[in-house]
Amino acid sequence: GQQVMQIPQYQHVQEGEDFTTYCNSSTTLSNIQWYKQRPGGHPVFLIQLVKSGEVKKQKRLTFQFGEAKKNSSLHITATQTTDVGTYFCHFGNEKLTFGTGTRLTIIP
Amino acid sequence: DTAVSQTPKYLVTQMGNDKSIKCEQNLGHDTMYWYKQDSKKFLKIMFSYNNKELIINETVPNRFSPKSPDKAHLNLHINSLELGDSAVYFCASSQGLNYGYTFGSGTRLTVV
Repeated sequence: GQQVMQIPQYQHVQEGEDFTTYCNSSTTLSNIQWYKQRPGGHPVFLIQLVKSGEVKKQKRLTFQFGEAKKNSSLHITATQTTDVGTYFCHFGNEKLTFGTGTRLTIIP
Repeated sequence: DTAVSQTPKYLVTQMGNDKSIKCEQNLGHDTMYWYKQDSKKFLKIMFSYNNKELIINETVPNRFSPKSPDKAHLNLHINSLELGDSAVYFCASSQGLNYGYTFGSGTRLTVV
């Protein structure tokens, strides 16, 4: 299947700093989903965005879907050690494509 | 109760062997998937079934054969295992293609 680039590939932040990962598509998406995978674990569904320009929040996490429905971002405010893991976007197209992931590590 | 359960969790086997991984979901979902996660953590779709019917079959060697006896089960059989098959295989399920997935805990396959 097709791979979708997420940027950055890796991010090391000091605890308390913010973190953002971006996902881009060359085509308009029907929806986008975000997942978190802890080290040694399995991907866990976080949220789905469907509408153009949609913004959703889960505590310190903010998810955005672009106006053209071609890109999305996940922003974490004031990271904590429990945020460590790899964050994946997932395109709800017929190819069921996952992004390449952004691996977040936290320096305590 | 585990929502999506895979067995075995670990599988170490020699090249050329045939092995199977089983997956069961108790969520009542219509759609099930097999994904392969390589050493770089890329998640690649292999197969997707909807109500026991194969709907997605990505470019996967025909040594890999999925079987769905009912909509709660999706097993993966691999013939003539190769070194490059070493990876973590995840089963997942969802209500449909445009719904969030619930993943199993994965099967770490090591071919030696």
